[in-house]
Amino acid sequence: QVQLVQSGAEVKKPGSSVKVSCEASGGTFGNYAISWLRQAPGQGLEWIGGIIPIFGTANNAQKFDGRVTIVADESAGIVSMDLSSLTSEDTALYYCATEPTNSPWQTFDSWGQGTLVTISS
Amino acid sequence: DIQMTQSPSSLSASVGDKVTISCRASQTIGSHLNWYHQRPGKAPKLLIYAASSVQTGVPSRFSGSGSGTDFTLTISSLQPEDFATYFCQQSSKTPYTFGQGTKLQIK
Repeated sequence: QVQLVQSGAEVKKPGSSVKVSCEASGGTFGNYAISWLRQAPGQGLEWIGGIIPIFGTANNAQKFDGRVTIVADESAGIVSMDLSSLTSEDTALYYCATEPTNSPWQTFDSWGQGTLVTISS
Repeated sequence: DIQMTQSPSSLSASVGDKVTISCRASQTIGSHLNWYHQRPGKAPKLLIYAASSVQTGVPSRFSGSGSGTDFTLTISSLQPEDFATYFCQQSSKTPYTFGQGTKLQIK
């Protein structure tokens, strides 16, 4: 199983952008896709989008169209998510998580520690 | 998007109790249903996938059932470490969506 380590907490102003990164502890994501999810304070979980690092193909929830960019550097074992046009509703704990690509069943089976993103003027 | 609705939203129980949490999808999802729990300050952990398959390393007191639109998570004998928030997630179609959570508290 791949262990994921995320970048540190961020405080951003409304209208700005944030970049959060997720690194594979062993240096490679192997056969896993990586998804990004978030959890607003006291709330449930929301899927933002994901990428298959070995192919570089990304997709995202329609809600985030035009605002999110997910990229992978497979050789460095790093996936990054950029979220732009931030508002207070984007204040949340952001997680990356692995999805096995060699299984017929989609799951989020290993998670990073989370990155708190706070939007404040 | 597929809406996932869990019940109850909170539940009080004692160590050794058997508990059941329900999850309903707004449209049929076959067996594409996963269960997670989340302890305070921690990331979610996968417990059950494909509605009834127990993830490697998860204790056998956890079980799942259901298909189509109605699903159930059962914990046969609660242990102290099981007091957490439980989420269901549909994996049938993107965007993947989660239930709002069921908080399991000590009575």
